[in-house]
Formats: sequence, C-alpha cells, structure tokens
Amino acid sequence: DTGVSQNPRHKITKRGQNVTFRCDPISEHNRLYWYRQTLGQGPEFLTYFQNEAQLEKSRLLSDRFSAERPKGSFSTLEIQRTEQGDSAMYLCASLTPGDPGANVLTFGAGSRLTVL
Amino acid sequence: DQQVKQNSPSLSVQEGRISILNCDYTNSMFDYFLWYKKYPAEGPTFLISISSIKDKNEDGRFTVFLNKSAKHLSLHIVPSQPGDSAVYFCAANWGTSGSRLTFGEGTQLTVNP
Repeated sequence: DTGVSQNPRHKITKRGQNVTFRCDPISEHNRLYWYRQTLGQGPEFLTYFQNEAQLEKSRLLSDRFSAERPKGSFSTLEIQRTEQGDSAMYLCASLTPGDPGANVLTFGAGSRLTVL
Repeated sequence: DQQVKQNSPSLSVQEGRISILNCDYTNSMFDYFLWYKKYPAEGPTFLISISSIKDKNEDGRFTVFLNKSAKHLSLHIVPSQPGDSAVYFCAANWGTSGSRLTFGEGTQLTVNP
C-alpha cells in the first residue's frame, strides 16, 4: 500500500493522559499536513511541514499540541493533558507534486481520538 | 469565520438523476477549488478541482462550475449512482497558502436505488 498511513486508527483515553499519533506519508511527498475533523464539520487545518521544517501552525494548535517530522519522513502529533474537547478525527495528508496552485492533498484514513 | 460554506447538510436524489452540491466562499484570494468525497471510516478522497481562471471542469460524470462574481461553485453528478452516497466537501486555497486547504462543513449525499 503506497497511500498515507495513520496509526493508531482509534485511541480511547482518559482526560489528562497524553496521546501520540503517527503518520507515514507517501514516500515522495515532501509536504505533510495535519487536520482535525469534528462531527458535522469539515477538516480544520492544524499544521504543515515541508521536509522536516514546520512552516505553519494554526491558532487551533494550543500549547498542549506538538507535531514533529524529525527526518522529513514520518510525522507524529502529540497531545498532552488531553481534554474532552480534543475528541476528534485527526487526519494526516501529504502533497501530490504538481503545478503551483494545482496541488492535491492525499489523506490518510485518520486517527479517531475519544477522551473520556 | 467560515470562509467556505456548504449550506445544505444533506441531499437525497434518485439513482440516475442529477445531484447538485453547492458551495459558497468569502475569501477573494482563493484561486483554486477542490471537491473531496468521504466515506465512513475513510479519509477524504480527491474528486475534482477547478482553477479560478476557468468556469467549468468536467471529469466523466462529475462537473464543477465556478461563478467567481458570485463566489459560488457547484458540483454536478450525472447520472447519480448509489455508490456516490458519501459526504462531499468543498475546499479552497490560494497560491501563497502552502496548499493549505480550507474546507466547508460537508454535504451528505444519499442516492436512492
């Protein structure tokens, strides 16, 4: 499978615990994005990387959230001291190379977080 | 501040008829628009896109229309098939946004046999 891979697919945790999600993008894609989707809403941008550099962070990404892409390949998204409001689907996407402005994001299946 | 808006949470059509999904946007900087389809327990899948220099793009049963003056785009599916039943998201970006997409809320399309 050469698509975007996300693990774990589903995580249930208690409030206050830390969780980490992993994303393995399509190998030749140098851009990697994290989005969050809550029920009844579209995906909301969190952050993105070009290679190992984190180029932009949304104001949705509070201090409890940290994302890394240390070697420019896979990425991790960690949420510390989880809150019930963090319950959502966390989507990872990587970029299909193309003409500027004609780029298409390829999404993984997502990691669903449930905070009890 | 919802810059991309899909006002219809759901749409139901009969198999073989046309499905029309609508999307409005407020940010004049948007210059590229995409539609994604999402099945339950899967990530969004790219369907079709259109650049702001065009007003129509067609791919098989799917056609996207863009009306820049009205800041409105629509996705037409004809003929609709039961397998098209999914949530459809409209998304937009602009040239200096790093390909960061802004999504609408989605429309649940149900195609009845």
